[in-house]
Parts: sequence; structure tokens; C-alpha cells
Amino acid sequence: EAGVTQFPSHSVIEKGQTVTLRCDPISGHDNLYWYRRVMGKEIKFLLHFVKESKQDESGMPNNRFLAERTGGTYSTLKVQPAELEDSGVYFCASSKRVGGAVHEQFFGPGTRLTVL
Amino acid sequence: GESVGLHLPTLSVQEGDNSIINCAYSNSASDYFIWYKQESGKGPQFIIDIRSNMDKRQGQRVTVLLNKTVKHLSLQIAATQPGDSAVYFCAEPLAAGNKLTFGGGTRVLVKP
Repeated sequence: EAGVTQFPSHSVIEKGQTVTLRCDPISGHDNLYWYRRVMGKEIKFLLHFVKESKQDESGMPNNRFLAERTGGTYSTLKVQPAELEDSGVYFCASSKRVGGAVHEQFFGPGTRLTVL
Repeated sequence: GESVGLHLPTLSVQEGDNSIINCAYSNSASDYFIWYKQESGKGPQFIIDIRSNMDKRQGQRVTVLLNKTVKHLSLQIAATQPGDSAVYFCAEPLAAGNKLTFGGGTRVLVKP
């Protein structure tokens, strides 16, 4: 079974540009999460999809970040316009959805974003 | 606010020795914790978890201890190997959506 995949693995852009990150969850996983780790800090939650619906976007830092999950399969996270403080590693994770039980989240390898 | 944090940023350990990684949490109502391992170039990988009705849980070469009195948990790695070199995070799922709150991470460096 393929794991969570993310594209690209690295992205270097200039301040003010736009970048779109993609996450392909494990097939059949309804839950999809985005997290990020900025330099020297802990991994922080950004948002959570259940299928195509945004369940929780309380971690999104501002309106420069837009996440979508059309069709409930892969997800994209767009940053527009990018700022220096957006640099970091963006992780995607997915999990099964079975009632209210906690299910293990499987993480992708992350996308390292560098904003110059 | 609720937080899960780590005491030591870097732990250097001799191959074959045991490693202990510590984590503190602030919410006394927390009832479930997870340890993740993140190797270079990879995402966090589940190692072991523990519920608050337990004080100790063992896996393969790893043991997690939970002290609810002082709101502290630890991950012990027995006979540390070079493949154990990674950053280790404690984490706690919150709210109905199980979003994870992570500690700051401890880097374990295994010396040959």
C-alpha cells in the first residue's frame, strides 16, 4: 500500500510569489491533515479535512493560505503571496475515519519551502 | 493554554546504551499521548502510544512511562542503535478531529 505522498519535496521561491503544495493521502483515508514546522519550532497543526469538507481550519495562520480537497482525494495548500516567515516544512497526514475513535495518522515526507 | 513540550533539544548517546527522552504536558485532562520518530527527509512516524489509564507501555526496544502526578512522560530506547538517530516528538491528539499537538522535539545522535 502506498503511503502519503507530497509534491514537491523542495520549493524555493521569492517573497511575493505563489506556491502550491500537493498531498496525496493513503487511499481510503477520509481524514487529511496539514501541519507545518517552521525553523526551530514545533510542528503545528494547520487544518483538517474530512473527505472534501474542512473540519477544522483553526491553525491556518492567515488568509494568504488556502487549502482545498476537491473530490475528497488529494489536497492542495496554496500560499499567495508567500512571505519570509512561511519558510519551513509542510507535512500532510491522513488517517481512517471510523466513528470517533483515534486512528493513527500517517505522515508524508513533507515539502520544504524556502522563501527568499 | 495547552501545550506539550520537551526538556532537552539534543541527546548524544553511545551505541548500545539506553536513551531517555522526556516530555512535559500542561493539561491535566490529557488522556492519550503518542511518540513519533522523524528521520532526516521523512515525515514523523508513529512509535508507541499510551493512554492515561496506564503508567507504562512497552514495545520493541521502546518503553513509554507516564507520570500523571507531575504531568510528565518519557520514551526509553534500549540498546540504542545508529538507526535510532532521529528527532523524537511527543504529541497529543486534541478535539474531535484528533488534530495533533506536538512538543518541540529532541534530536538523538548515536555515536558509534
